[in-house]
Amino acid sequence: KAGVTQTPRYLIKTRGQQVTLSCSPISGHRSVSWYQQTPGQGLQFLFEYFSETQRNKGNFPGRFSGRQFSNSRSEMNVSTLELGDSALYLCASSSLGAGELFFGEGSRLTVL
Amino acid sequence: DAKTTQPNSMESNEEEPVHLPCNHSTISGTDYIHWYRQLPSQGPEYVIHGLTSNVNNRMASLAIAEDRKSSTLILHRATLRDAAVYYCILRDPRDDKIIFGKGTRLHILP
Repeated sequence: KAGVTQTPRYLIKTRGQQVTLSCSPISGHRSVSWYQQTPGQGLQFLFEYFSETQRNKGNFPGRFSGRQFSNSRSEMNVSTLELGDSALYLCASSSLGAGELFFGEGSRLTVL
Repeated sequence: DAKTTQPNSMESNEEEPVHLPCNHSTISGTDYIHWYRQLPSQGPEYVIHGLTSNVNNRMASLAIAEDRKSSTLILHRATLRDAAVYYCILRDPRDDKIIFGKGTRLHILP
């Protein structure tokens, strides 16, 4: 079956702009979680959605938001971009329970 | 703060077994122990997970201490393709807020 698909794979923005990233989970998976990965901070949890509801949120400012649609696809948005938002943004999907997470290849954001 | 502690890096020779340790002294009864690895320029890849008993799959084995406060990922015969950053995480199915630590960077020597 198809894996987790993230789009776009690469993008460049300037400070002050906003960006929307998309994640299509594996068919049948209803949980989608998002992570930010930077060389200095490693992998950091952003938020997790299940059946269109945000169940958990990490310690990120309100500029970072997300949502999940009825088909389980998810988007995350970052507004008023800062240089420090340059990172690899990863999403992962899973079925209910403690089973494995399936990660996408990520969206690499560069803020100039 | 990360709920798990791992060595920053480890080195092993090709075709030899590798034992990657992880400490999780604050583990709760509902936490599953998961291992993932991340190759350069890729998203993390699932390796194995378990709750209390040792687990084996085609990629690796997971040995869990009796008190569950530590675990060891075992690669039985390392290859160059196993060079990656390995993450040990705790996952509570009731609360999917996953905290990743820094992981262990595994170097394989030919």
